[in-house]
Amino acid sequence: KQEVTQIPAALSVPEGENLVLNCSFTDSAIYNLQWFRQDPGKGLTSLLLIQSSQREQTSGRLNASLDKSSGRSTLYIAASQPGDSATYLCAPPQGGSEKLVFGKGTKLTVNP
Amino acid sequence: GAVVSQHPSWVICKSGTSVKIECRSLDFQATTMFWYRQFPKQSLMLMATSNEGSKATYEQGVEKDKFLINHASLTLSTLTVTSAHPEDSSFYICSARDLRGTGPNYGYTFGSGTRLTVV
Repeated sequence: KQEVTQIPAALSVPEGENLVLNCSFTDSAIYNLQWFRQDPGKGLTSLLLIQSSQREQTSGRLNASLDKSSGRSTLYIAASQPGDSATYLCAPPQGGSEKLVFGKGTKLTVNP
Repeated sequence: GAVVSQHPSWVICKSGTSVKIECRSLDFQATTMFWYRQFPKQSLMLMATSNEGSKATYEQGVEKDKFLINHASLTLSTLTVTSAHPEDSSFYICSARDLRGTGPNYGYTFGSGTRLTVV
């Protein structure tokens, strides 16, 4: 059974800092891994989708890496802004299925 | 890009009544949709997989007679919470997968969620 752990649970940084969010998962038999952000009381917004054949995926100030063998993924946010404040969730699928498994997320606060 | 619309965004109902939540894929067809529930400060938990034209598949511990799922078309899935009770109060979110990509080149798109409060 896939289990997902995200560290840290919460993070507060001043504007402009570069930061790294960590995700670890137990079942490495995955095709891909997706990162989302969730604003309070809202649904999920997809940020990045990394295929198992890729090691990195970039979108603007966001860069995600995937190391299947070690069961880890990281989300790097460059030059953080107050608008980046949200909860970030990583979601690998349950191995061999379409079902996504979520961690509890990292709650990020970027202070102006 | 793929868009999933969920309605209503919030609903308050009396204990014992039923509530229907709709999930629509606006610009793509979805043979499979997923329903999640999220309690405060908790992660999303998959409740069931909705399959177009067939019965939904429920996760362990989810009562299928309480959470009725209908996926009658390729763009619409509905979740009905029957005989709702205060403990059913939660945030319900649906998602769908855009299959216009090939192989594993797909991602999941989520609706904006429905806040259900049962009083």
